[in-house]
Amino acid sequence: DAGITQSPRHKVTETGTPVTLRCHQTENHRYMYWYRQDPGHGLRLIHYSYGVKDTDKGEVSDGYSVSRSKTEDFLLTLESATSSQTSVYFCAISDPRTDAQYFGPGTRLTVL
Amino acid sequence: GENVEQHPSTLSVQEGDSAVIKCTYSDSASNYFPWYKQELGKRPQLIIDIRSNVGEKKDQRIAVTLNKTAKHFSLHITETQPEDSAVYFCAASKRNPGNQFYFGTGTSLTVIP
Repeated sequence: DAGITQSPRHKVTETGTPVTLRCHQTENHRYMYWYRQDPGHGLRLIHYSYGVKDTDKGEVSDGYSVSRSKTEDFLLTLESATSSQTSVYFCAISDPRTDAQYFGPGTRLTVL
Repeated sequence: GENVEQHPSTLSVQEGDSAVIKCTYSDSASNYFPWYKQELGKRPQLIIDIRSNVGEKKDQRIAVTLNKTAKHFSLHITETQPEDSAVYFCAASKRNPGNQFYFGTGTSLTVIP
């Protein structure tokens, strides 16, 4: 499964609390992505990174921030979680040889 | 940005029949079109992909066709089996900026034994 792990795998939190999700890869790939998956919407890009300290916004970035201090780790932070951020979050990496993206196992986040 | 539409949203077929899922895209600069299969509670898994310089690609029982002029591409699954039951997503991307993928909203395929 392309050497991608996510933590935690499940989290329940309350509205207004900060939450950080972690994505870790062992492939040393440059590009990493955070998506959210909601019924009826498919997968939507939140943020992506093209290198250490290099990040950019995706189509649904409001309310989220990211950081990448090491090639292998990409963090997604919800500064003040809201119920609309209840979702399944997937991290992905891009294989530069093929442009294919490979996904981590996902994190199910519930904001009460 | 890119807009990818996928149809149908649900599809039921008898085991052994064929299934076809269709996607359209809006950005003529998109040049890479992957298909993912997602089983319940699992991560999306890449099953086949096609680039804009190719019209068709096959891998055993699955195939993808691309019509650049019409900006649509399709997934074909032949001789369907119950284990093909899953949600399938199409996507479109171009390398710059960031090799961003734009996904369709998914097709839930049920293969009836």
